[in-house]
Amino acid sequence: DTGVTQSPTHLIKTRGQQVTLRCSPISGHKSVSWYQQVLGQGPQFIFQYYEKEERGRGNFPDRFSARQFPNYSSELNVNALLLGDSALYLCASSLGQINQPQHFGDGTRLSIL
Amino acid sequence: GIQVEQSPPDLILQEGANSTLRCNFSDSVNNLQWFHQNPWGQLINLFYIPSGTKQNGRLSATTVATERYSLLYISSSQTTDSGVYFCAVYYGNNRLAFGKGNQVVVIP
Repeated sequence: DTGVTQSPTHLIKTRGQQVTLRCSPISGHKSVSWYQQVLGQGPQFIFQYYEKEERGRGNFPDRFSARQFPNYSSELNVNALLLGDSALYLCASSLGQINQPQHFGDGTRLSIL
Repeated sequence: GIQVEQSPPDLILQEGANSTLRCNFSDSVNNLQWFHQNPWGQLINLFYIPSGTKQNGRLSATTVATERYSLLYISSSQTTDSGVYFCAVYYGNNRLAFGKGNQVVVIP
């Protein structure tokens, strides 16, 4: 089975721009979560989606938004990029919403100039 | 929110040595997972372990949920064990709260 796939792998943007990151979950997985990992820290929870509905949101500003499509893939959008948004963005998928191990993709490394 | 503390933050091992990494968490959790992050940023699942002990080759993990801690044991370490080890706890609707990680360097 193909694992969680994320695209693009690397991205360079400038301050004020907008970015869209994409994630395809493992086949059969209905839940997708997004995490931000800045250098030297552990990943921080941003969003969880299950069955195309937002089920949880972390402590991130409204510049961050996401959605899940009928095929369970997901996009994370970040508007008005700041230097501090430079990070590794990780997507994880799981079978269900509760008590299911999460499987992570390889991430998108976003650099803001 | 829930706090996850990992110790030691940095560890240098001679190849062949054994080590123990510790994870303390501040509240009751639904489950716990250990990951290894390689230098390319890939997060590799090691153990999904709400309680008890599991073993996989040279690695084993023990979680004592009632005392809110988990341990990861690395035996006969190899240079490929280098990287950052993360403990993450499940809370709410399958959200993960991560610790800051244990940076492990194994030298030949």
